[in-house]
Amino acid sequence: QVQLQESGPGLVKPSQTLSLTCTVSGGSISSGSYYWSWIRQPAGKGLEWIGRIYTSGSTNYNPSLKSRVTISVDTSKNQFSLKLSSVTAADTAVYYCARDGRASDPWGQGTLVTVSS
Amino acid sequence: DIQMTQSPSSLSASVGDRVTITCQASQDISNYLNWYQQKPGKAPKLLIYDASNLETGVPSRFSGSGSGTDFTFTISSLQPEDIATYYCQQYDNLPQYTFGQGTKLEIK
Repeated sequence: QVQLQESGPGLVKPSQTLSLTCTVSGGSISSGSYYWSWIRQPAGKGLEWIGRIYTSGSTNYNPSLKSRVTISVDTSKNQFSLKLSSVTAADTAVYYCARDGRASDPWGQGTLVTVSS
Repeated sequence: DIQMTQSPSSLSASVGDRVTITCQASQDISNYLNWYQQKPGKAPKLLIYDASNLETGVPSRFSGSGSGTDFTFTISSLQPEDIATYYCQQYDNLPQYTFGQGTKLEIK
């Protein structure tokens, strides 16, 4: 079955760019009519949908983050990535990647990213 | 953007109780509503999709209903392992697939 795993730096300095990668295993990222999404969760708070990408490269972003977010896909590596620029402490959160069809499923285990100098 | 209002924000119940959580959308989302369970330190897990369809492998004590703007999630007989936070999510309307605020379920 398909599994997802997030990777990337756990600490990012304010004003810099957060970069994460999600590696998909157990299936091709290009198979099926799925989108691939990023979702985040600050400690003790709820879930915030960041955006998604189709393997064609088509993207949708949360309007509140759109000016700072870029999601890309590398089908040759079975990966998709998140870049969030100009980060502040408010961007500290657990970041999840997920496969989106009629629902977000499955999810990666999540990776904590802390924004601090 | 569609807003999702989930209630209650927290709930305490006894083992064996029937538990109900509601989610209200700010506009008609048909049946494009999912329910997730999140245990501490874990990623959310899909329980119900399309408002009322039970995900494969999910116990039948979990159920969902509703359409349009009003949705209900029910646990028919609460078990100790059901302690978690539950979220609804609409996926009818971009630009974002909004989540509800979550309901933290505790054992009384």
